[in-house]
Amino acid sequence: QSVLTQPPSTSGTPGQRVTISCSGSSSNIGSNTVNWYQQLPGTAPKLLIYSNNQRPSGVPDRFSGSKSGTSASLAISGLQSEDEADYYCALWDDSLNGVVFGGGTKLTVL
Amino acid sequence: EVQLVESGGGLVQPGGSLRLSCAASGFTFSSYSMNWVRQAPGKGLEWVSCISSGTSIIYYAESVKGRFTISRDNAKNSLHLQMNSLRAEDTAVYYCARKKQVGIDAFDIWGQGTMVTVSS
Repeated sequence: QSVLTQPPSTSGTPGQRVTISCSGSSSNIGSNTVNWYQQLPGTAPKLLIYSNNQRPSGVPDRFSGSKSGTSASLAISGLQSEDEADYYCALWDDSLNGVVFGGGTKLTVL
Repeated sequence: EVQLVESGGGLVQPGGSLRLSCAASGFTFSSYSMNWVRQAPGKGLEWVSCISSGTSIIYYAESVKGRFTISRDNAKNSLHLQMNSLRAEDTAVYYCARKKQVGIDAFDIWGQGTMVTVSS
């Protein structure tokens, strides 16, 4: 079981808005900033959101992140077929002295 | 082009050892903390270890502590992971990843990964 809890799967239709949640605790999300990664099938992960809500250059503004208390969310608006991927939240955990990943959420575009 | 290229993966028997390497190019390697992250077949991502730019700070996941050793050679722009006492559960794709910057624990550059299979 992961320290960070994500729904195993979610789905949406093209153009729709979907959100993926990430629930943690005071030692991780409650204390540090959250990062999100996108992993397309058969490829290495890619940084999607860092420091809760910052997008690296090249990431479309359809992707946004937020954090409140010990939970965080990734929102994808204007869903596209190429968004079909696994999404992971991750951040430093002060109790474990290491980086923790959520279990991942598989997004299916119907 | 900023790039990380892993090597050294392969098939090893339980209890055996393997040394992974990660060659960095296109950026000032010595200025960045580096990490290893692994992914078992069909499973999620698991952080393994990190090392600071100057090698003074090192952390390990509990699952590998005492068995794996991370190191780096800034003169050769390379990162290494010495894996001893390997177990079946260490079977995974191993990625090296660059930490974005001091104070931001995000991995902005990833290698393509190298597969490690522990099996008799």
